[in-house]
Amino acid sequence: DARVTQTPRHKVTEMGQEVTMRCQPILGHNTVFWYRQTMMQGLELLAYFRNRAPLDDSGMPKDRFSAEMPDATLATLKIQPSEPRDSAVYFCASRSGTGTDTQYFGPGTRLTVL
Amino acid sequence: QQQVKQSPQSLIVQKGGISIINCAYENTAFDYFPWYQQFPGKGPALLIAIRPDVSEKKEGRFTISFNKSAKQFSLHIMDSQPGDSATYFCAASRGAAGNKLTFGGGTRVLVKP
Repeated sequence: DARVTQTPRHKVTEMGQEVTMRCQPILGHNTVFWYRQTMMQGLELLAYFRNRAPLDDSGMPKDRFSAEMPDATLATLKIQPSEPRDSAVYFCASRSGTGTDTQYFGPGTRLTVL
Repeated sequence: QQQVKQSPQSLIVQKGGISIINCAYENTAFDYFPWYQQFPGKGPALLIAIRPDVSEKKEGRFTISFNKSAKQFSLHIMDSQPGDSATYFCAASRGAAGNKLTFGGGTRVLVKP
C-alpha cells in the first residue's frame, strides 16, 4: 500500500531552535508539495517541487523557512529559527507526473513551538 | 488573489440525511476541483473530483455538482453515516500552474446516529 510518510509525527521545540521535517513521497511520484494547516489560515501551500527542482516557494517565509529535495525519495522542510507562530500541522503531498491530478497527503507533522 | 470560499463552516445531520457543502471560486482558469476528507489526526484524502467540462459526478453516496457560469460547486453526501463525520475541504487548481491546490476553509460535518 503506497503512501506518503512523514517524520517526525510530533515535534515540540523551543523558540529559536531549528526544526527539520522529512517527507518520503510515494515511489515514482515526481511532484512534492508542502502545506501548512492552522485553525486560522486553514490549509495553505508553502512550496512545491517537480523532479526535485523547486518550482514555487512563494508561500514560505523566506527568512526562516527552506525546502529541499536532496533526492527523489526525500523532501525536507526546515525552519530556523522557529517561532511560536510556526506552530501548525505540516503536510507533505505527492503526485504522479503522469495523467493524474490527485495529490496524496502524508499524515502530517504536528509542530509546537514554545 | 486566488480564493475558494466554502460554506457552511460546520453542519450537523442525522444519520440517513443529506449533507450539502458549497464552494465558490474566483479564478476562471481553475480546471480541477477536488474534495478532500480529513479525519482528526490524519492527512486529507481525496474523496471525489470534477473538471469543468461536466456538471455532475457521482461516486457512491458522494456527488459533486458543478456550475461553471456561477463559479460554484458543491458536495452532496447522500444517506449520511456516522463514519462520514469528518472535515471536508473543497479545493481548486490549475494544471498550467502546477496543480497547486487552493483550499476552501473546511466544513466540519457531524452525523448523529
